[in-house]
Amino acid sequence: GAVVSQHPSWVICKSGTSVKIECRSLDFQATTMFWYRQFPKQSLMLMATSNEGSKATYEQGVEKDKFLINHASLTLSTLTVTSAHPEDSSFYICSARSTSGAEGETQYFGPGTRLLVL
Amino acid sequence: AQTVTQSQPEMSVQEAETVTLSCTYDTSESNYYLFWYKQPPSRQMILVIRQEAYKQQNATENRFSVNFQKAAKSFSLKISDSQLGDTAMYFCAFTAGGATNKLIFGTGTLLAVQP
Repeated sequence: GAVVSQHPSWVICKSGTSVKIECRSLDFQATTMFWYRQFPKQSLMLMATSNEGSKATYEQGVEKDKFLINHASLTLSTLTVTSAHPEDSSFYICSARSTSGAEGETQYFGPGTRLLVL
Repeated sequence: AQTVTQSQPEMSVQEAETVTLSCTYDTSESNYYLFWYKQPPSRQMILVIRQEAYKQQNATENRFSVNFQKAAKSFSLKISDSQLGDTAMYFCAFTAGGATNKLIFGTGTLLAVQP
């Protein structure tokens, strides 16, 4: 149980284009999903928290107009990198938190998406 | 502010031996949750073990166990009978739970299991 998928697993795009990354909780409902960015050999950096049906909460320094987050259902959140530039190249990871129960405070992670902007 | 500190950037252990990874944290919360996540070369974050602060008993999951010292704010991970597949980056993480449920991560410990 507690499986989170991410699609695509990797993407290469040209500078100036937009890229959408999907995050799905496959076997549980997630009221809250999180988006992280990870640079090589570093820890995870939280970008934003999204709750189903409401606007995402962005961390300080994260451009909300560049990183659009939509959490349309209890099993799906999307991150769109708009007008991507080479400095946006990174590893993006989502996580989902179960709605209830003893595991309600546990975040389960997707496999990540490698983004390369040329 | 809540912080998580992992003071061992890298560690090495022989296959079948036991290794302990250290983690300390700082918080003023009385109830919270602590986690160890593993990130192998595939970069998939995998939950290893979870500890609720209100539980005095140390959590165990097969070969993995924790030594939770609430007063000392310490949360170490012991891996017994180390296997080659345990080679990974290990992250200690903290959350106070609640509406935002943000995870605060340590900087990680890179564990290499040697054959």
